[in-house]
Amino acid sequence: EAQVTQNPRYLITVTGKKLTVTCSQNMNHEYMSWYRQDPGLGLRQIYYSMNVEVTDKGDVPEGYKVSRKEKRNFPLILESPSPNQTSLYFCASSFDGFNSPLHFGNGTRLTVT
Amino acid sequence: DQQVKQNSPSLSVQEGRISILNCDYTNSMFDYFLWYKKYPAEGPTFLISISSIKDKNEDGRFTVFLNKSAKHLSLHIVPSQPGDSAVYFCAASEASWGKLQFGAGTQVVVTP
Repeated sequence: EAQVTQNPRYLITVTGKKLTVTCSQNMNHEYMSWYRQDPGLGLRQIYYSMNVEVTDKGDVPEGYKVSRKEKRNFPLILESPSPNQTSLYFCASSFDGFNSPLHFGNGTRLTVT
Repeated sequence: DQQVKQNSPSLSVQEGRISILNCDYTNSMFDYFLWYKKYPAEGPTFLISISSIKDKNEDGRFTVFLNKSAKHLSLHIVPSQPGDSAVYFCAASEASWGKLQFGAGTQVVVTP
């Protein structure tokens, strides 16, 4: 089954404790991206990647890091999480990042206390 | 500053009637528009899209209308069904860039 898989689904952590949210897609998509969803703000892009080893900042990249060492994986790293990063996170992928629709994972609910 | 705005956070409609969801944008360079649907505890799923060379695109019960001069698009669902109850996100991009901007979403509730 074609899918985008994120782990974990739920995560509660404390301020400053490094964490990684994994994302993997099995559709051989070139483009991958991370979004956060907050009430009243919709989905805001954090980082995106057009291809392996190519990443770029989205609209809200502060406090996040990503890497794209393999085509299928695009982990999101929070080196020192803060409470304002409490949010619902979605990973997505598409064929080429242009006019091809995004396929989303089921989300990761992160709480930073 | 949000470039894509959905000014109605919620919409309630009776089963069988038409649902009309609205979306406004400010960036005149946007030339590709999409609607996504999201159920609780799931990621958004692609619903329908339209490019700026068209003013209407239809897919079954779903039709998207684009008014470029007004920088406005709308999604019509006819007839509405209980399974259409979800959050709907409008999104827009510049085709040459590929970066999507999303609206805040509209919660649709279809009542029997």
